[in-house]
Amino acid sequence: SQQGEEDPQALSIQEGENATMNCSYKTSINNLQWYRQNSGRGLVHLILIRSNEREKHSGRLRVTLDTSKKSSSLLITASRAADTASYFCATRDNQGGKLIFGQGTELSVKP
Amino acid sequence: DADVTQTPRNRITKTGKRIMLECSQTKGHDRMYWYRQDPGLGLRLIYYSFDVKDINKGEISDGYSVSRQAQAKFSLSLESAIPNQTALYFCATSDPRTGAREKLFFGSGTQLSVL
Repeated sequence: SQQGEEDPQALSIQEGENATMNCSYKTSINNLQWYRQNSGRGLVHLILIRSNEREKHSGRLRVTLDTSKKSSSLLITASRAADTASYFCATRDNQGGKLIFGQGTELSVKP
Repeated sequence: DADVTQTPRNRITKTGKRIMLECSQTKGHDRMYWYRQDPGLGLRLIYYSFDVKDINKGEISDGYSVSRQAQAKFSLSLESAIPNQTALYFCATSDPRTGAREKLFFGSGTQLSVL
C-alpha cells in the first residue's frame, strides 16, 4: 500500500495566492522528500527534510514536518502559472534506501 | 549533462507479447529503480537495484522481471503483457554516497499501452 497519502488530490488557485499541500505517512522515516511532475514527464526533486528537522525553506517553497503526527506540508508562496504541476511526497524509511511515493496533489495555478 | 535515458518513449503492444523497457544512465549512480504511474495511484515501486549484483522486489513486482546488465543499465521486462500493465513507466537513479540527502533522478518515462 502507499506510504504517503496526500491532501488535497487537486487544488486550483489564482496566481499570487499561496498553495498548501499535505502529506501523511504511516511508518517511521529517515527523511521525506517532495517532487514535482509536469504533465506526463519525469519527476524532479524539490526539497528534502530529515526526520530531525521541523522546517526547511528553498526559494518560494516551505516544507514542515511533524513526526509525532506523521505528516508534512508543502507551501508554495506567491504562486505562478508555471507552478502548475503535480506534487508528490516520498518517504525513505529507516531500514531503507527505497523511496515510497504518495498519490500526489494536482495543482493548477490560473493566471 | 549526466542523464537518465529511457527507451522507447512510447510503445503499443498486444496482450501476451514480451516487451522490454530499457534504462541507461550517465550519472555514475549505483542505485536504480523502476516505478509505474497510474492515474490517481501515484508512483508504485516495481523493482530496485542497489548495485550490479543486487535486485529487490518492490510493491508490485508480479508480472515483471528486471536485469541489471551493468552499473549504467537496468531493464524492465514484461514476459507476457496484459492490459492492466498499461501505464507510464519511470526509471530513476540515486547516489548512496550522498547519505541522508539521497534523492532520485528520473528519466522522461515510457508510456506503454497493452491492447
